[in-house]
Formats: sequence, C-alpha cells, structure tokens
Amino acid sequence: QVHLVQSGAEVKKPGSSVKVSCKASGGTFSSYSMSWVRQAPGQGLEWVGRIIPMFGLANYAQKFQGRVTITADESTSTAYMELSSLRFEDTAVYYCARGESGHEFSFHYWGQGTLVTVSS
Amino acid sequence: DIQMTQSPSSLSASVGDRVTITCQASHDIRNSLNWYQQKPGKAPNLLIYDAFNLATGVPSRFSGSGSGTDFNFTISSLQPEDFATYYCQQYQNLPPGFGPGTKVDIK
Repeated sequence: QVHLVQSGAEVKKPGSSVKVSCKASGGTFSSYSMSWVRQAPGQGLEWVGRIIPMFGLANYAQKFQGRVTITADESTSTAYMELSSLRFEDTAVYYCARGESGHEFSFHYWGQGTLVTVSS
Repeated sequence: DIQMTQSPSSLSASVGDRVTITCQASHDIRNSLNWYQQKPGKAPNLLIYDAFNLATGVPSRFSGSGSGTDFNFTISSLQPEDFATYYCQQYQNLPPGFGPGTKVDIK
C-alpha cells in the first residue's frame, strides 16, 4: 500500500518561497508520476504540476509556469514542490497525489496536505 | 485547457435518497473522467475512475456513467457518511482539471 507523508505547515511572507516535501513509501517511487494539487480555503481543487522521477521530467500548469519547480529525489523516495514569489492568493493546502500504473492522473493516493499561509 | 462544470453546486438530501450529480466537459474527453469525495479537512478520495470503474474498497452504491462531454455520478441510497463534497476531474489532456464541486448536505 502506497503512503504519502508531507512536510508540516508553513507561514511565509509575500515574495518569498516555500518548499514542500512528500515522502512515499510502499511501492515503486521512480516510475510513477507524482502530482501536486492545491486547494485554497473554501475553494476547489487545482492541479499545479507533476514529475516522473525516473526521467526527472516535470510538467506545470500554465498558471504556475515560472514560479513553480517540482523535483524528486529517488534515493529518498521524496518529491518536492517549490513555489516562489508567493502571493496572498497562494494560501492553500498543497497535496501530493499519485495514481496507479496506466492511470497516472487518477489519484488513488494522496498525502495528508500541507497548509501554506502567505501573510505579512 | 478543458473546462469542467458540475451541477448542482449543492444539494440537500435525506438518508436513503438517490442522488445524481452531472459533470460536463468543454471538449470530448472520451471516458477520461474521475470522481472524488472530499470531507472537511481531509484529502480527496477517489471513488470512480475511467468514468465508471469503482475504485478499490468503494461501496457499490456509488456509480458513474457517460462518455464524451456528459457524465453522471450517482449514489443509489445516500448514507450518513456520504455527506461531503464531490468533484469530477478530467485527464484526457494536460492540465488535468477538476470541476467546481457539488456539496451534498443533510436535508
């Protein structure tokens, strides 16, 4: 059974950066796409981007292009999402999520979420 | 990007009711559609994938149908633990996009 554990809550100033981690256990890390999805308070779900650790290949939603970097460390089975130039509207819970073989965007597994608060 | 809409945005129902939520895509997404349930303070939970396949461990009172641009999600007999928000999600094209959600609460 796949288990995703994320880093703890963060409070950041506008204009700064945040880096959230997601450690996977149970199953093969490298060959599965890991996505990041965020949810602003009281709002819906928004896909941020994903990485395929085996290839180091990342794709990002156009909205976040230039501000987000998703990386993965195969040696520790950990994915990272770094968001820079933070704005108040980036306040959200950020989830890592993973699918199954052949269903990389059907998110069977989710981390517990990391609340990122942008506040002056 | 493919736009997803859901209706209704919210509904009130009683235990035992049959509930149906619709989801529409702005372009043909074949059967590349998932349904999730989310409860307050929790991560979403995948219920249906590929439009009609039940995810592992999901009760059979949940079902999905449709293809192309129009999809339905049905709870055949609403249970107390089903009061939650439901999201559809397309994955035919990047970026995978979610509908705005349907909140199901107690009448």
